[in-house]
Amino acid sequence: EIVLTQSPDTLSLSPGERATLSCRASQSVSSSYLAWYQQKPGQAPRLLIYGASSRATGIPDRFSGSGSGTDFTLTISRLEPEDFAVYYCQQYGSSSWTFGQGTKVEIK
Amino acid sequence: QVQLQESGPGLVKPSETLSLTCIVSGNSIRSGHYWGWIRQPPGKGLEWIGNIYHSGSTSYNPSLKSRVTISVDTSKNQFSLKLSSVTAADTAVYYCARSSGYCTDGVCYGYFDYWGQGTLVTVSS
Repeated sequence: EIVLTQSPDTLSLSPGERATLSCRASQSVSSSYLAWYQQKPGQAPRLLIYGASSRATGIPDRFSGSGSGTDFTLTISRLEPEDFAVYYCQQYGSSSWTFGQGTKVEIK
Repeated sequence: QVQLQESGPGLVKPSETLSLTCIVSGNSIRSGHYWGWIRQPPGKGLEWIGNIYHSGSTSYNPSLKSRVTISVDTSKNQFSLKLSSVTAADTAVYYCARSSGYCTDGVCYGYFDYWGQGTLVTVSS
């Protein structure tokens, strides 16, 4: 099983700032099959990024994904008030899909 | 618009079987997508449970495989989850979701692009 470790656990930033979230895999993720989700309290996760760098339908271009192999990054270029949430990465490049433990982006 | 809705008991006794159903609307379950279950214990992260294709082909999380059965009813456009021998550790919000991707050589590759709202299942006597 591929273990995903996200860092930091919590990111304290102000609106307008840039957020950089990391997701590191215990082994290489096949074909960059990595996705990012946003989850707000009491809501289901929402797909942001798939294939490491492709934005899902309707996702603003301030969200971008990059990386390959074992190191992946989600960048939010300028935080909007609605972006404060928990973010999860997920790998789907193996027979057993796994999620990272999440990074909470909170208002500083 | 694709919509998924989970239904089932909110309380299950220890050692019994948890049963949930996901009704899909706005998209045929025969559409070529895979359909999955994910859970989230209170205050914790997400755990993939398993997926199913309309043909009945399944893939499961190895850590849960011995207790999980996912089935599909194409006539009702829905799929279901059964988790046997539950304990308090199975208390979680259970989500159903649509997976976009593909399977080859018995391995599936996909991300979840549509999710249900989730349903809390508590395991307690």
